[in-house]
Amino acid sequence: QQQVKQSPQSLIVQKGGIPIINCAYENTAFDYFPWYQQFPGKGPALLIAIRPDVSEKKEGRFTISFNKSAKQFSLHIMDSQPGDSATYFCAASIGVFGNEKLTFGTGTRLTIIP
Amino acid sequence: DAGVIQSPRHEVTEMGQEVTLRCKPISGHDYLFWYRQTMMRGLELLIYFNNNVPIDDSGMPEDRFSAKMPNASFSTLKIQPSEPRDSAVYFCASRPRQGRTGANVLTFGAGSRLTVL
Repeated sequence: QQQVKQSPQSLIVQKGGIPIINCAYENTAFDYFPWYQQFPGKGPALLIAIRPDVSEKKEGRFTISFNKSAKQFSLHIMDSQPGDSATYFCAASIGVFGNEKLTFGTGTRLTIIP
Repeated sequence: DAGVIQSPRHEVTEMGQEVTLRCKPISGHDYLFWYRQTMMRGLELLIYFNNNVPIDDSGMPEDRFSAKMPNASFSTLKIQPSEPRDSAVYFCASRPRQGRTGANVLTFGAGSRLTVL
């Protein structure tokens, strides 16, 4: 019930393309869904987050799409650049602050080819 | 702020040896988390502290693992004795308490890569 399933495990996209990373969850009590970005040799850093009361959130070239009925959410990167090459983790928790056990997906290693 | 500081960055040890990983959270952050990252299992929460008190250690894999937070600016994760399957990157993260700016953001350190031979 606490799992967050993430796919694909790895993804290679041409520069300018739109990589899409998908996550699915089971626990309907989850109500906060952040994405973290991790560069090699660094710790993950918060990229963007969404609450289930909206179906989409956009910050710059990064967009989260959320489908509450399907219990799925995804990250889209518009006009992808080689600098976006990183590992991306989706995550979920019950409440932004209430549940300290932020459950992470297994990560997607994204490579953007020039 | 220097961010969350972890040491050592890399540790190579032999099976059976004791390993101690260290973390200095961001000043003023009330919560501290220890995560383990592997290719197979991704990021797993091991334990977290609130105001230096361990709140949930259900993610600690075995009794060989222990964590302490003697004060607000220092925490350790100890593995004794270490085994090859403990090889992973161990991350420390911190965040402020609810109501403080940035309370929804976990700030991670750069990690400690542990290799147990």
